[in-house]
Amino acid sequence: EEQMVESGGGLVQPGGSLRLSCAASGFTVSRFYMSWVRQAPGKGLEWVSVIYVDDNIYYADSVRGRFTISRENSENTVYLQMNSLSAGDTAVYYCARDLSWGGHPLWGQGTLVTVSS
Amino acid sequence: DIQMTQSPSSLSASVGDRVTITCRASQGIRNSLAWFQKTPGKAPKSLIFDGSNLQGGVPSKFSGSGSGTDFTLTISSLQPEDFATYYCLQYSTYPWTFGQGTKLEIK
Repeated sequence: EEQMVESGGGLVQPGGSLRLSCAASGFTVSRFYMSWVRQAPGKGLEWVSVIYVDDNIYYADSVRGRFTISRENSENTVYLQMNSLSAGDTAVYYCARDLSWGGHPLWGQGTLVTVSS
Repeated sequence: DIQMTQSPSSLSASVGDRVTITCRASQGIRNSLAWFQKTPGKAPKSLIFDGSNLQGGVPSKFSGSGSGTDFTLTISSLQPEDFATYYCLQYSTYPWTFGQGTKLEIK
């Protein structure tokens, strides 16, 4: 069965850092483009970042320069390193395979990040 | 950045109804638009890509249309499990942007 499991969320103080993981099973992450999407409490979905098979990477304006997406093929895992966190980054973070155009979309269950003192 | 505006923001309908949600882009995005369904506590579900193509396993009661700046998602014969929030996403230009969502509620 194909699935992705996010982890690494939790409570962090403003200005702090967290690294989210998206561990895949049943498929190889290096063969798909992988994205992160977040949803703040009571708000809508927000696209965060994408990493392509050829390692091209793009970010939302709100996270560029603070967040870094990466992929570790040996661990079949995609990461999101989040630095300089603020309250506005509080959200459930989802990883997604083939988020936009066709293919084989798949979503993780999400991990909650809370930025608060 | 491309702004995506959905209308209405909320919609009340009854089981068995047919509803249409609209998504308008601030500039032309060809057919680079996807639709998603989101229910509280669950991961989003991908419904449609490239404006009108159904993702695998999505029932044909869902349909999408449009190109350029104006797009629609139509859901026919509403069932209780269809009451959720629906989002469009443009992937024509980075950064990708979601619409603000349309909450579909039971009347």
